[in-house]
Parts: sequence; C-alpha cells; structure tokens
Amino acid sequence: EVQLVESGGGLVQPGGSLRLSCAASRFTFSSYWMSWVRQAPGKGPEWVANINQDGSDKNYVDSVKGRFTISRDNAKNSLYLQMNSLRAEDTAVYYCARSDKCAFDIWGQGTMVTVSS
Amino acid sequence: DIVMTQSPLSLPVTPGEPASISCTSSQSLLDSNGYICLDWYLQKPGQSPQLLIYLGSNRASGVPDRFSGSGSGTDFTLKISRVEAEDVGVYYCMQALQAPITFGQGTRLEI
Repeated sequence: EVQLVESGGGLVQPGGSLRLSCAASRFTFSSYWMSWVRQAPGKGPEWVANINQDGSDKNYVDSVKGRFTISRDNAKNSLYLQMNSLRAEDTAVYYCARSDKCAFDIWGQGTMVTVSS
Repeated sequence: DIVMTQSPLSLPVTPGEPASISCTSSQSLLDSNGYICLDWYLQKPGQSPQLLIYLGSNRASGVPDRFSGSGSGTDFTLKISRVEAEDVGVYYCMQALQAPITFGQGTRLEI
C-alpha cells in the first residue's frame, strides 16, 4: 500500500525549532512533487510548502517564509520540514502529501506540533 | 492569492437524499494545458483529508460513483446523488493552480 508516515512533532517553546520527517513507501518518491499541509485545532487545512522532484523548486506560504525550509532526500524516500522561530500560531497537525494531477492524492496520518511555553 | 469560497458552511441532510456543495474561486482555475486545477476532499472525524475529486470532475480511486464534480472557470459543484451515513464529515475544495495553494473554509455535512 502506498504510504506516507510523518514523525518529529512535539511540544516546543516559542522561538524554538523542530524538524519534521515524512517517510514514503511503495511508490517512486523521486517522481512526485511533495507538500506539507497543516491544520490548526478546529480549523481547515492550510498549505505550507511544496518541493519539486529534484528539490530545485520550492514554494512557501507567506506566513512561514524565512522560518521554515522544505527539503527532500530521494535516496532515502524522505521529505523534511525544518521549522525555526516557531510561534504559537504554528501549532497544528502537520501532514505530508503527494501531489499528482493538481491534487493531493496521498496524505500521511499527521504529526502534532504544539508551540507553547 | 486565489480565494476559495464554499457554501453552505453547514449542510444537514437525510440519508438517501441528494446533497450539493458550491465552491467559487476568485480567479479562473483553468491552466495552460486546459485542465481545471480544482479538487474536492472529505475529512472524516479523526482522519486525514482524503481526495474525492481531482481536475474538477474526476473521481479518485475507490470513490463511490454517487460523488460527482462539475464546473468551469470560477464556479464548481460537488454533488452526492444519495447521501449515506459514512459521508459525514467536512468537505473542502482546493485550488492547486498556483502557489499559495488554497482551500475553501469547509462544509460540514451532518445527518
């Protein structure tokens, strides 16, 4: 079964850092754009960032530009999100998602990030 | 940024009856190849969102044929021909034409 599994979430103080990982399995990871999408408690999904197949093209939502960095390691079938200068408003479940035909066709189960003192 | 607006935000339905959700984008979602970059997702309670419809009108793998998507330009509709109990959750439209990718506010379907 095609699968994405996120890890790395947790509780972090404001101003702190966290690195999320997403492990892909049972598909050719290097052939797809990948994204991070977050969902704050009780809110709708918010796209955070995406990256193309070889990592040469990256896009971010304005609210995380300069603080978050998306990256990938195709040899390890893994996607990453380095999050620095974290704020309370970054508290959310973070999902990784595969992009195909203008859609997110595969989603992970999510990892919770809580920014609080 | 492209703004996505859904209506209604809450949709009470009776099992076996049809349901319809509208989504309007602030600009055309037609890409240079003629594709409509508009999708529909369902998030069931406690689960990740799941893809229902992609490119405006194509059902994703495993999605029952009671779900259909239509529309063009800036106005789109998701229809459920006969609602079943398992269809409860929050429905989102999403545009992937350009970054930032944006979602509608969500429509909560209740039975």
